[in-house]
Amino acid sequence: RKEVEQDPGPFNVPEGATVAFNCTYSNSASQSFFWYRQDCRKEPKLLMSVYSSGNEDGRFTAQLNRASQYISLLIRDSKLSDSATYLCVEIQGTNAGKSTFGDGTTLTVKP
Amino acid sequence: NAGVTQTPKFRILKIGQSMTLQCTQDMNHNYMYWYRQDPGMGLKLIYYSVGAGITDKGEVPNGYNVSRSTTEDFPLRLELAAPSQTSVYFCATTKTGGGGEKLFFGSGTQLSVL
Repeated sequence: RKEVEQDPGPFNVPEGATVAFNCTYSNSASQSFFWYRQDCRKEPKLLMSVYSSGNEDGRFTAQLNRASQYISLLIRDSKLSDSATYLCVEIQGTNAGKSTFGDGTTLTVKP
Repeated sequence: NAGVTQTPKFRILKIGQSMTLQCTQDMNHNYMYWYRQDPGMGLKLIYYSVGAGITDKGEVPNGYNVSRSTTEDFPLRLELAAPSQTSVYFCATTKTGGGGEKLFFGSGTQLSVL
């Protein structure tokens, strides 16, 4: 079993739709979680950290469920510009670089 | 500030050739990392460095070498290139390496070994 698993998609949604991605992790000792966004052939960029209490940034909401060992990303009112691959990232220790990346979920928002 | 700069952006190698991927940063970050990303996959850590003179292996170090003689530079060396090393390579930094820190990535090097 992979340490971090994501549904690869693709998710094809119309503009204005709400879409949610889940990411499961296997190590209960994992400490930190993040969502990164990656546009085609570009470098990943941090979208948001995921806090235990859940957190929101505009149209984006991230949640962590430690009991079931998954994190989620909810995107409301999808825009064309949200089309990208979303990478789930977990860190078991304290070194940010020793992160485990999921394989990504691809989202395409259509007019 | 340029941030994290990688060169070259693209390269085609023949099997058995060697090359160095360059990574330089002007953010005075202590931690630097090399990742590779195969098509449709997430990033895998090759090597990392916590400061000048200190390097350590990541998840997939075989076939690669690194050095860190200065804070700014963290080159990745491929010896005897193989088709399995065809990938996109990303260099990244964090200031102190803390678990909650954001990774700053370079724009990547697309390498094909034929």
